[in-house]
Parts: sequence; structure tokens; C-alpha cells
Amino acid sequence: SQQGEEDPQALSIQEGENATMNCSYKTSINNLQWYRQNSGRGLVHLILIRSNEREKHSGRLRVTLDTSKKSSSLLITASRAADTASYFCATDAGGAQKLVFGQGTRLTINP
Amino acid sequence: GAGVSQSPSNKVTEKGKDVELRCDPISGHTALYWYRQRLGQGLEFLIYFQGNSAPDKSGLPSDRFSAERTGESVSTLTIQRTQQEDSAVYLCASSPPLEKLFFGSGTQLSVL
Repeated sequence: SQQGEEDPQALSIQEGENATMNCSYKTSINNLQWYRQNSGRGLVHLILIRSNEREKHSGRLRVTLDTSKKSSSLLITASRAADTASYFCATDAGGAQKLVFGQGTRLTINP
Repeated sequence: GAGVSQSPSNKVTEKGKDVELRCDPISGHTALYWYRQRLGQGLEFLIYFQGNSAPDKSGLPSDRFSAERTGESVSTLTIQRTQQEDSAVYLCASSPPLEKLFFGSGTQLSVL
């Protein structure tokens, strides 16, 4: 079974709006990572947040982590058409070093 | 090279044939992963190599799948007696331990 699950599965918003995606996981983690995928090929790393961190920023991206609820959120502010992609969270499952990915959120930004 | 390199980029094979997929990780990265992604789906973990430790093979879907890695360099994923359900993009990634992954562009496998 998947360690991380994203919600919603698909999200469509207007350019300029903010997009929020959520990720829930099942076991304790060392860190949680968010990735973006365009065109169904290689993924690009966005942000890594460690288990002792609660919030992290990178440009228009903001990631939060709530280890008590075993959940994380990715916020993209002032969305652009180029943000259209699939977004995945990944966690080390149960402290093991391997990274397990969720099913992803397909984000569409409408011009 | 500067990034993770996978070959071939595309592979079309007939059902029942064996295929071998190659991954060249970033030099110095001790961790190497293989994932499978079916169309419109998430990434399915297959196998994980970390340095000289025994690989984590818990994600391999059947005994038709195997993977090897020579030290901390190239890895090959072999699928024997391919089936149509094996059609997918196979993604390789490498990283230092517990750090972000760098992905290759993947191999699109089509089994006819």
C-alpha cells in the first residue's frame, strides 16, 4: 500500500489563484518531499521538509508538515499556466530509507 | 554526466521477450531507485540500492523482475518474459542518503 496519498486527485483553478494540495502518510518519517512531473516523464524535486520542521518556503511554494496528523500541504501562490503538472509527495516509509510516492495531484491552471 | 541517464528512451518488444533497462546515476550518489509508472498513475516503488547494503527488493511485482547494481555505478533492470501489463514508464533516480532524488527521463516500455 502507498505510504503517501495526495488529495485532491485533480485540481483546476484560474491563473493567479492559489493552489493547495495535501498529502497524508501512515508511519513515522525522517523527511517528506514534494516533486513535480511534466509530461509523464522525469520528476523534479521541489522541497524537502524534515520531521522536525513545520514550514518551509521556496519562492511561490510553501510546504507545511504536521507530524501529529501525519499530513503535509503544498501551497502554490499566484499560480501560472506553467505550474500545470502533476505533484507528488514522497516519504521514507517507516523510517526506512527508500522513498515511496503517492498517486499525485494533477493540477491544471487555466489562463 | 551531469544528470541521471536512462537508456533506451523507448523500447517496444513482443510479449514473452526479455528486456534490459539501464540507468547511469549521478557520480557519488550512493542511493539508486527504480520506479514504475503506468499511464496516469503514481510511481510504484520497485527496488532500492544503498551503497553496499543488500538491496530492498520489496516492490518487485514478480520473479520476472530483477535488478543489479555494480558498486555505486550503473544499474540494470531486467524483465523476463514480458507481459502486456508490464507496459509503463520505468523511472530511475539517484541521491545521497536521505536527500532529494534526481530522476532520469525514464524508459517507455511498450509490450505488444
